[in-house]
Amino acid sequence: GENVEQHPSTLSVQEGDSAVIKCTYSDSASNYFPWYKQELGKRPQLIIDIRSNVGEKKDQRIAVTLNKTAKHFSLHITETQPEDSAVYFCAASPYNNNDMRFGAGTRLTVKP
Amino acid sequence: DAGVTQSPTHLIKTRGQQVTLRCSPISGHKSVSWYQQVLGQGPQFIFQYYEKEERGRGNFPDRFSARQFPNYSSELNVNALLLGDSALYLCASSLIRDRGPYTFGSGTRLTVV
Repeated sequence: GENVEQHPSTLSVQEGDSAVIKCTYSDSASNYFPWYKQELGKRPQLIIDIRSNVGEKKDQRIAVTLNKTAKHFSLHITETQPEDSAVYFCAASPYNNNDMRFGAGTRLTVKP
Repeated sequence: DAGVTQSPTHLIKTRGQQVTLRCSPISGHKSVSWYQQVLGQGPQFIFQYYEKEERGRGNFPDRFSARQFPNYSSELNVNALLLGDSALYLCASSLIRDRGPYTFGSGTRLTVV
């Protein structure tokens, strides 16, 4: 089955700096890669997703890149703000199979 | 339009008991998935239901079962509860079976004592 590894487990940045979180996956059949933000005690919320037919997707300060050959994808947050502080999870899901596998999460802290 | 709703929000059960958790998907969404999130970890896939049929199952024991109703709501049942079943149980819905995005509910926090 799919195995998703996520790094780093914790990340601390200064407000205004950029943050990058990286994930690797094992199943070449995976074709859907979402990123979720989870604040303490809250539900995971989708912040951006990418499908395997696209190499990069951007939404304001957030971007995701995908390298299918290397089986890795990354989340980029620019101009970080204190409200970006949360746990971020990457996930991978193969086509025709809703067994979406999550990474272990990255706790991002943005210091004002 | 309401999002994914789950009930109850919190639950305390004793070892060996049985529990039923409920989920109502976003209106129009036919796919419901269940996840277990242990504190400090990512969600782990339990089940996926689409059109009232089980379409996927994660690596969980037979004590875990689920079903989906004609209105696409779903129930997750866990029998013979163990202390290790204590977790946040999340339900996610999507419009069609094979494609996201998946929207999560706020979850049911289950504590087994």
